[in-house]
Amino acid sequence: NAGVMQNPRHLVRRRGQEARLRCSPVKGHSHVYWYRQLPEEGLKFMVYLQKENIIDESGMPKERFSAEFPKEGPSILRIQQVVRGDSAAYFCASSPTENIQYFGAGTRLSVL
Amino acid sequence: GNSVTQMEGPVTLSEEAFLTINCTYTATGYPSLFWYVQYPGEGLQLLLKATKADDKGSNKGFEATYRKETTSFHLEKGSVQVSDSAVYFCALSGGGTSYGKLTFGQGTILTVHP
Repeated sequence: NAGVMQNPRHLVRRRGQEARLRCSPVKGHSHVYWYRQLPEEGLKFMVYLQKENIIDESGMPKERFSAEFPKEGPSILRIQQVVRGDSAAYFCASSPTENIQYFGAGTRLSVL
Repeated sequence: GNSVTQMEGPVTLSEEAFLTINCTYTATGYPSLFWYVQYPGEGLQLLLKATKADDKGSNKGFEATYRKETTSFHLEKGSVQVSDSAVYFCALSGGGTSYGKLTFGQGTILTVHP
């Protein structure tokens, strides 16, 4: 069984560019969570999605960040007009229910 | 709101030493408690969990007991190995409308020397 797949593993962007991070959940899992890990810090919740619905986006910055989980295809975390402060590791987790979460290996975003 | 406080690291031990990483929490309702481990360059892996008071989670020689009276979930291992070197995160979920989202502690770096 394939686990949670995230790509790319590493992403480099210049200030002002867009970053698109992809997450394919475990097959059959309909719950997806995104977390951000800033340097030297723990993970912070960003958003929780089910298929085609955003359930809780209380951890998302108000501007430039958006997330989707379409009926078909991976979940996407999109960051527009990136700034240096967006440099972090972004982790996706999936779950069959609102219980145990299985994490991907993360995408490490570096903004130059 | 929910919060998790972990023992600050880093922690450096010799092989076969006893390990304790402290974790305390604040939460509304009755949260579930977790320990996750992150090896270098990898994502988080669930190490163990407990879903109600006095439950003991255990895996790979690690143990933690859900103590509601002290709001704690300390991680212990009797004899660590070099391969246990990693970052350990205490986390909770549950209570209110949390939808299962996890609240993490800041992580504790463990280094085990031969």
